[in-house]
Amino acid sequence: AQSVTQLDSQVPVFEEAPVELRCNYSSSVSVYLFWYVQYPNQGLQLLLKYLSGSTLVESINGFEAEFNKSQTSFHLRKPSVHISDTAEYFCAVSATGGSYIPTFGRGTSLIVHP
Amino acid sequence: ETGVTQTPRHLVMGMTNKKSLKCEQHLGHNAMYWYKQSAKKPLELMFVYNFKEQTENNSVPSRFSPECPNSSHLFLHLHTLQPEDSALYLCASSAKPGVEQYFGPGTRLTVT
Repeated sequence: AQSVTQLDSQVPVFEEAPVELRCNYSSSVSVYLFWYVQYPNQGLQLLLKYLSGSTLVESINGFEAEFNKSQTSFHLRKPSVHISDTAEYFCAVSATGGSYIPTFGRGTSLIVHP
Repeated sequence: ETGVTQTPRHLVMGMTNKKSLKCEQHLGHNAMYWYKQSAKKPLELMFVYNFKEQTENNSVPSRFSPECPNSSHLFLHLHTLQPEDSALYLCASSAKPGVEQYFGPGTRLTVT
């Protein structure tokens, strides 16, 4: 079984400032890792994913995340946030073999102030 | 229509009613999921279907009954619900279990 911990339930930040949303996971097998974003009154949208290969993955809107196997982390970063980035962000993990049940973190609410 | 659609978007029902939620995916995926999202609680996986076969039932009460007639459609039949069942119900699909999921907009359910 795997688990996901998002250490911060809420992260307030000013516009154009950098931000890091933290995600740590626990698993006894190899994993796939994901970040999803949920805007108000909408479903979750895939932001970026790590399946294999380069440990640094990027999204089209400036977010990036780095898979760190030794620290079992997959933190999400953006060098300069916009008001429109205000949303709930979920980290998720799936085992690459065995049980395919995806596990989600509790979410981090990113609040960008002008 | 593209992606994952869900109907209705909003539903208010009494505890004695019977209703159904519908999900349709236009992505050619083989796996479909139902999730429950309540305020202040983690996302709860309810059911998983792979190639129309139910592979997971995450200890969901029997008042929730899923149906997957084909790989593109997923239903959640509801009967004799409780007020604590009020939540956002999300449908998702993926090419296969374990890889990235694509979510619908959800159905906001209120049980009165």
